[in-house]
Amino acid sequence: DQQVKQNSPSLSVQEGRISILNCDYTNSMFDYFLWYKKYPAEGPTFLISISSIKDKNEDGRFTVFLNKSAKHLSLHIVPSQPGDSAVYFCAASERGGADGLTFGKGTHLIIQP
Amino acid sequence: ETGVTQTPRHLVMGMTNKKSLKCEQHLGHNAMYWYKQSAKKPLELMFVYNFKEQTENNSVPSRFSPECPNSSHLFLHLHTLQPEDSALYLCASSQGWISGTKTYEQYFGPGTRLTVT
Repeated sequence: DQQVKQNSPSLSVQEGRISILNCDYTNSMFDYFLWYKKYPAEGPTFLISISSIKDKNEDGRFTVFLNKSAKHLSLHIVPSQPGDSAVYFCAASERGGADGLTFGKGTHLIIQP
Repeated sequence: ETGVTQTPRHLVMGMTNKKSLKCEQHLGHNAMYWYKQSAKKPLELMFVYNFKEQTENNSVPSRFSPECPNSSHLFLHLHTLQPEDSALYLCASSQGWISGTKTYEQYFGPGTRLTVT
């Protein structure tokens, strides 16, 4: 049973507009959430994270929102740029960084010129 | 240059072969991980090492055997694999536990694309 779900396999967004990627989780023990970006033939690259004690974290064009009551988080990218085209993975962790991460299946973001 | 390197990048092996995947991290981290990514499935955690000690084995078959000789190197020894083991194998590292402080970000290598024939 998947504990981290990304229900949209792909998303197409116009360049300059906002991209919103969604993620749902079922394990209430998760206390830290991360987003990774992956290009073909490369490993995932860490993008941004959020602790369960916060509801928002912002880093440049990237903002992550966490709604604990709904067990939902989202990644906002604004404005979207062609280089943002990649697969985005949502991941979650419990009990600390020494444990492994639980990943979603990913969303393929395509930025249209 | 990535802080985590993996060799080889591609590997084709028969079911009776024995091979090893190598991972090296240059980030001064204390924890290392093996993940598997099969087609249309999320990344799955296989093994966790903290300060060279294996702290997690996520119900991985014994035909996969990890080895962590020091905090910078991690191996995955493969023997008598099955075709369904064909996947992308990713290595990652993180700071791990430092005096009880949690650190979550893991940094990944480029992966080894394994094909079992």
